[in-house]
Amino acid sequence: GAGVSQSPSNKVTEKGKDVELRCDPISGHTALYWYRQSLGQGLEFLIYFQGNSAPDKSGLPSDRFSAERTGGSVSTLTIQRTQQEDSAVYLCASSPQGGVYSDTQYFGPGTRLTVL
Amino acid sequence: AQKITQTQPGMFVQEKEAVTLDCTYDTSDQSYGLFWYKQPSSGEMIFLIYQGSYDEQNATEGRYSLNFQKARKSANLVISASQLGDSAMYFCAMREGGAAGNKLTFGGGTRVLVKP
Repeated sequence: GAGVSQSPSNKVTEKGKDVELRCDPISGHTALYWYRQSLGQGLEFLIYFQGNSAPDKSGLPSDRFSAERTGGSVSTLTIQRTQQEDSAVYLCASSPQGGVYSDTQYFGPGTRLTVL
Repeated sequence: AQKITQTQPGMFVQEKEAVTLDCTYDTSDQSYGLFWYKQPSSGEMIFLIYQGSYDEQNATEGRYSLNFQKARKSANLVISASQLGDSAMYFCAMREGGAAGNKLTFGGGTRVLVKP
């Protein structure tokens, strides 16, 4: 079946603008995750969804970052008033169950965000 | 303290030979999962293999095997019969039990280049 999809694949924006990144998980996966990959910080966890609720937002770096998930499916990560340090690849992953250490996460191709 | 340590930033391997990628981890949990992912230059994170903390047998998936030494807290990935397409970044990751089990914690990665 189809894997995790993300859009756009690339996004270039100007400092101070808002951006929205979209993730479409594998059908039937109840858990969804956002990560960020940057040269300086490696791979960092941002947020975890179980269904439409987000029990773990501990990785969101500031209140400029928010995310939502609707219908237990598509998720949108929004970054307001973007800064140059937000430039990174944003990866989305989904897993069948969530909340279980053995649950494998499957990743999408990522969105490369560049803030000028 | 680093939870996942990959001490080899980069390595070369001759085509058709085996290569071992090192990974050590740090956790006080009894229940945890260890994962290896491959990230080619295209950027997508590809799941390779999983080892649970209670698994007594080392995990194997085709040419990939995981050398799990629980007492030493190591989970090395062995790739047998290397192919040119194995050239990529490889990440070791851990998912702990309990409330922390919502996220993967990644190591810094090892870049593998397979030489013909």
